[in-house]
Amino acid sequence: DAKTTQPNSMESNEEEPVHLPCNHSTISGTDYIHWYRQLPSQGPEYVIHGLTSNVNNRMASLAIAEDRKSSTLILHRATLRDAAVYYCILRRPNSGYALNFGKGTSLLVTP
Amino acid sequence: ETGVTQSPTHLIKTRGQQVTLRCSSQSGHNTVSWYQQALGQGPQFIFQYYREEENGRGNFPPRFSGLQFPNYSSELNVNALELDDSALYLCASSLGGGQGIYEQYFGPGTRLTVT
Repeated sequence: DAKTTQPNSMESNEEEPVHLPCNHSTISGTDYIHWYRQLPSQGPEYVIHGLTSNVNNRMASLAIAEDRKSSTLILHRATLRDAAVYYCILRRPNSGYALNFGKGTSLLVTP
Repeated sequence: ETGVTQSPTHLIKTRGQQVTLRCSSQSGHNTVSWYQQALGQGPQFIFQYYREEENGRGNFPPRFSGLQFPNYSSELNVNALELDDSALYLCASSLGGGQGIYEQYFGPGTRLTVT
């Protein structure tokens, strides 16, 4: 499986936008980019996924570079509840039953 | 719509014992995956069940085994417990078996402590 690289930690102020980067330089053409997050003492939670085009949902936006070697998860207005570990994961149809979580980015949100 | 539930919430076992953890999948989901999360680490894939059969396994020994029932609920069994088995065990349900594009929905986990 192609690997992803994320910063270990990031910090943001409440109500400001947060841009969480992910590098995946060995991504293949069929790999989907998924993001999950894990709040303290909870199981991981699906956030968003995309293939080539930018994606938006009620939780976040996903911006995918034109060459697909990197992507950015955007939280438009961080809240204290967004403090979590964010995981960027590549998934390939028909071959990827496992989520390979890696270490993720620990996001701290301060009031 | 009922989410993924797991039982028990916490469990303490002694080295060498056996344990069974249970998971009820989200309504309509036919696939269940199990993960182990050690403290400070990301979850590690144990195995996945689709239509009552194991259809994928991570790097875990055979003493980790599972079952899926006709209602798609699942059990994780661990024999001959070791101290390193102490972890949070997460169950996730999804659609589609081995399809790599469906999101997985996680339960809150079972915290297992082996002494």
